[in-house]
Amino acid sequence: GAGVSQSPSNKVTEKGKDVELRCDPISGHTALYWYRQSLGQGLEFLIYFQGNSAPDKSGLPSDRFSAERTGGSVSTLTIQRTQQEDSAVYLCASSLRKYSYEQYFGPGTRLTVT
Amino acid sequence: AQTVTQSQPEMSVQEAETVTLSCTYDTSENNYYLFWYKQPPSRQMILVIRQEAYKQQNATENRFSVNFQKAAKSFSLKISDSQLGDTAMYFCALCTSGSRLTFGEGTQLTVNP
Repeated sequence: GAGVSQSPSNKVTEKGKDVELRCDPISGHTALYWYRQSLGQGLEFLIYFQGNSAPDKSGLPSDRFSAERTGGSVSTLTIQRTQQEDSAVYLCASSLRKYSYEQYFGPGTRLTVT
Repeated sequence: AQTVTQSQPEMSVQEAETVTLSCTYDTSENNYYLFWYKQPPSRQMILVIRQEAYKQQNATENRFSVNFQKAAKSFSLKISDSQLGDTAMYFCALCTSGSRLTFGEGTQLTVNP
């Protein structure tokens, strides 16, 4: 079956602009995760969704970052007023349920803020 | 708080030989899972192997096996009969309470022909 998909694959934006990153999880997976991968910080957790609710959003680095999930499926990560330090690869993962533990990753979105 | 440490930033191995990647972790929880993920240049994170902390038996997946030492909080990955396609960044990861993954810094493995 289809894996986790993310769009766009690459995004270049100017400092100060808003961006939206999309994640389509594997069908039927109730848990969805966002991570950020950057040279200086490695792989960092951002937010976790169970269904449409986000019981753990402790990894969001600032209030410029927000995320939502609708219909228990698609998720959007929004970064407002982008800064150069936001440049990174944003990875989405999904798992069958909260306690299944195996997370399947999408190919990521490479965000470059100029 | 959970931490994962990979002390080998880079490793290389000859094709067909065996290599071991090291990982140590720390958590106060009793129930947790450990994983090795592979990230080739394509950027796609691929699950290689997983280990449940309550299982004493080491996990094995074809050429990949782990040495899980719970008391020492050590979780190494052994790759046998290395292939050129094994060249990638390898991440050790810890998952507790069914939520976030905590990753190590990664080990870049290069398999030489």
